Amino acid sequence: AQTVTQSQPEMSVQEAETVTLSCTYDTSESNYYLFWYKQPPSRQMILVIRQEAYKQQNATENRFSVNFQKAAKSFSLKISDSQLGDTAMYFCAFIYMDSNYQLIWGAGTKLIIKP
Amino acid sequence: NAGVTQTPKFQVLKTGQSMTLQCAQDMNHEYMSWYRQDPGMGLRLIHYSVGAGITDQGEVPNGYNVSRSTTEDFPLRLLSAAPSQTSVYFCASSYSTPPLKLFFGSGTQLSVL
Repeated sequence: AQTVTQSQPEMSVQEAETVTLSCTYDTSESNYYLFWYKQPPSRQMILVIRQEAYKQQNATENRFSVNFQKAAKSFSLKISDSQLGDTAMYFCAFIYMDSNYQLIWGAGTKLIIKP
Repeated sequence: NAGVTQTPKFQVLKTGQSMTLQCAQDMNHEYMSWYRQDPGMGLRLIHYSVGAGITDQGEVPNGYNVSRSTTEDFPLRLLSAAPSQTSVYFCASSYSTPPLKLFFGSGTQLSVL
């Protein structure tokens, strides 16, 4: 069975610090995508960053970057220069290309940025 | 550009009642889906659609029906509400199939008493 595990239910850091959220996944597939989604207190989820499994280069979006370790099945999210607006739930997810279009989601990490 | 619009935002039902959660998107996305979010768990897919007239079941379809008569609308029907259906429901759409970027609505918080 495909699973996604986020081992940190909650984290908090000071504003401007760097924080890393962990995610591990289990799949026997080779062709898949990994995602980090953000859910702020407003509840509406947005995509933060996406990684294609066949690309070795780690994806980057402004202050957000990932550390993709395919052999270890690890996909961590690094947020640099954290801001108060980064306070949210963060969900790791993946989808493999032969699935019935079903994303597999982790349980989420609550991130609190303190002023 | 409204994106994905869900109504209502909050709803309280009694056990056995039926209701429809509405979802509309104005981005001409072919792919639409419904998720439920429960505390301590990730999102779980209820039903999805890859175009008008085409729907399929997700991970947790029991107790829910969907239809897709237009590209824009994808309503979710609860047939006979049960307390186990108390949850937050999200509609999401994507320009691609498989969904490589989901656009979410703001959710419907449903309580079944």
